[in-house]
Amino acid sequence: SQKIEQNSEALNIQEGKTATLTCNYTNYSPAYLQWYRQDPGRGPVFLLLIRENEKEKRKERLKVTFDTTLKQSLFHITASQPADSATYLCAPRDDKIIFGKGTRLHILP
Amino acid sequence: DTGVSQDPRHKITKRGQNVTFRCDPISEHNRLYWYRQTLGQGPEFLTYFQNEAQLEKSRLLSDRFSAERPKGSFSTLEIQRTEQGDSAMYLCASTPQSDTGELFFGEGSRLTVL
Repeated sequence: SQKIEQNSEALNIQEGKTATLTCNYTNYSPAYLQWYRQDPGRGPVFLLLIRENEKEKRKERLKVTFDTTLKQSLFHITASQPADSATYLCAPRDDKIIFGKGTRLHILP
Repeated sequence: DTGVSQDPRHKITKRGQNVTFRCDPISEHNRLYWYRQTLGQGPEFLTYFQNEAQLEKSRLLSDRFSAERPKGSFSTLEIQRTEQGDSAMYLCASTPQSDTGELFFGEGSRLTVL
């Protein structure tokens, strides 16, 4: 069955440093992969999408990579800020969109 | 407000009762998804629609769960004979028919089964 794995533990990063989150998937070949942010008690909010033929995508302080050979995506937040503290969800897509468990990111001031 | 709206936002019910949640997607969004989320977990796929057609229903979903989107606009999710394990946040999301498929989520309907 399709499986998505993200950093299972919470990630603590010092303010100003780069946070790197990992998403690994097995048993399918998504055409593209999305990343979402979720704050407590709220619905997820779309951040970025990367297609299978793209190696890297950037948006402001965010950078996503997509390695279809390794079946892995990395999500980077540079110059991290306390306001970046949230849960980040990986969502590979083939016909439907399935989410990983998410990684809780804490940016420490 | 032209976002995805869900109703009710909170529902407390006794075990064995039926509950129904409603989702109004963004106008003209063809696809509509339902997810369930419990604390510390990501959204778990339940089902999705393309207009009024239900394209897939999770095999993990028991027969007590049913969803409809009768006119291709709003959708309802019904849970019959609720159990305590059904307590969760039920999220609805819609997306236009495009290859990117960015999901726009509602704020969710939180269900507590006593």
